[in-house]
Amino acid sequence: QVQLQESGPGLVKPSGTLSLTCAVSGESISSSNNWWSWVRQPPGKGLEWIGEISHSGSTTYNPSLKSRVTMSVDKSRNHFSLKLSSVTAADTAVYFCARVVVGLTADYWGQGTLVTVSS
Amino acid sequence: EIVLTQSPGTLSLSPGERATLSCRASQSVGSRYLAWYQQKPGQAPRLLIYGASSRATGIPDRFSGSGSGTDFTLTVSRLEPEDFAVYYCQQYGGSPRTFGQGTKVEIK
Repeated sequence: QVQLQESGPGLVKPSGTLSLTCAVSGESISSSNNWWSWVRQPPGKGLEWIGEISHSGSTTYNPSLKSRVTMSVDKSRNHFSLKLSSVTAADTAVYFCARVVVGLTADYWGQGTLVTVSS
Repeated sequence: EIVLTQSPGTLSLSPGERATLSCRASQSVGSRYLAWYQQKPGQAPRLLIYGASSRATGIPDRFSGSGSGTDFTLTVSRLEPEDFAVYYCQQYGGSPRTFGQGTKVEIK
């Protein structure tokens, strides 16, 4: 059974950098069948796709966030990461990581982690 | 960017009734790259349907998806108490992947 678990600070100061990690268990992150994705959801609102990364480090980002987003993969730890720079209160959201099967969509998701941007 | 518009915003129904949810795309979603998710409060989205009409693993057959091009439908044939939730459509045929704004199915 594939499981994903997000971790990282729950509070980030404005203009700072949000950093999250997603630990994957039950499957190797090196599998060529999958990409690894981040999605966020502001409180009480809908879902926004942030981007995704392959096992080899290829990335595709949402153009609305592209200038501030960096994703990376750590094969030795079987996890992948998200960094979002220059955050504002508008970046306050629950952040989910998910597995994306190549040619399909996200099937396994983490439980999500709330990140609040506030001084 | 492909914009997805879901209707209605809220659907008030009783258990046992049929639910019909709509998702319209601003341009064609190539090769039926359309998924439906269910989300309950405090939980991650759960994949129900992919490829417009294929049920994900473990999804009951009361959930069905249909449509192509720009118009898609999710049908729940007979609502069970656990089906009251928010439903999102998502297209993954174009980049960026986009979601609809959601339809809330609430108990009448």
